[in-house]
Amino acid sequence: NAGVTQTPKFRILKIGQSMTLQCTQDMNHNYMYWYRQDPGMGLKLIYYSVGAGITDKGEVPNGYNVSRSTTEDFPLRLELAAPSQTSVYFCASGTGTVSEKLFFGSGTQLSVL
Amino acid sequence: GESVGLHLPTLSVQEGDNSIINCAYSNSASDYFIWYKQESGKGPQFIIDIRSNMDKRQGQRVTVLLNKTVKHLSLQIAATQPGDSAVYFCAETGANSKLTFGKGITLSVRP
Repeated sequence: NAGVTQTPKFRILKIGQSMTLQCTQDMNHNYMYWYRQDPGMGLKLIYYSVGAGITDKGEVPNGYNVSRSTTEDFPLRLELAAPSQTSVYFCASGTGTVSEKLFFGSGTQLSVL
Repeated sequence: GESVGLHLPTLSVQEGDNSIINCAYSNSASDYFIWYKQESGKGPQFIIDIRSNMDKRQGQRVTVLLNKTVKHLSLQIAATQPGDSAVYFCAETGANSKLTFGKGITLSVRP
């Protein structure tokens, strides 16, 4: 199993550009999550999904959109990139049980200049 | 070993010593707690977890202690090794099953 795979690993955007961060998992997990991690800070939940066709906002959803057309894929869309979105983005998946042991991807480092 | 709260960003320990990383949580309704380890350039990895009906759980070289009275969680690493150098996060979850992460602390192991 590859686990959780994120692409790209690095990206530089200009203000106002758009991009999609890709995330796929091969563990047949129903739950998937997008987090952002700012320097010296913990992880903040952007969006999550409890299954295909279902998404919900997390703690910091503004400026982002997601979709979940399949169990495996959970892309994160930035429509109008802003410098405040410079961060490291992590996708994670889990079973959704109370004992939630999340599996994380290796991250996407995004800079908006 | 040394102990330090998560409000301090780094912990430096000598190789072979024991490390103690502390975490204070605020939600008294949280009933499940996890420690994650994040190595440079990688995503967080699960280390050990504990439910609120326990006060201690041991893994391989790691022990998690939970004190619900003062809402305090700690991670103890025995015989710290260079490979333990990383950022450590505590996380908690309650009825909504979405994890809330602490800010993290950097553990640096001196040879």
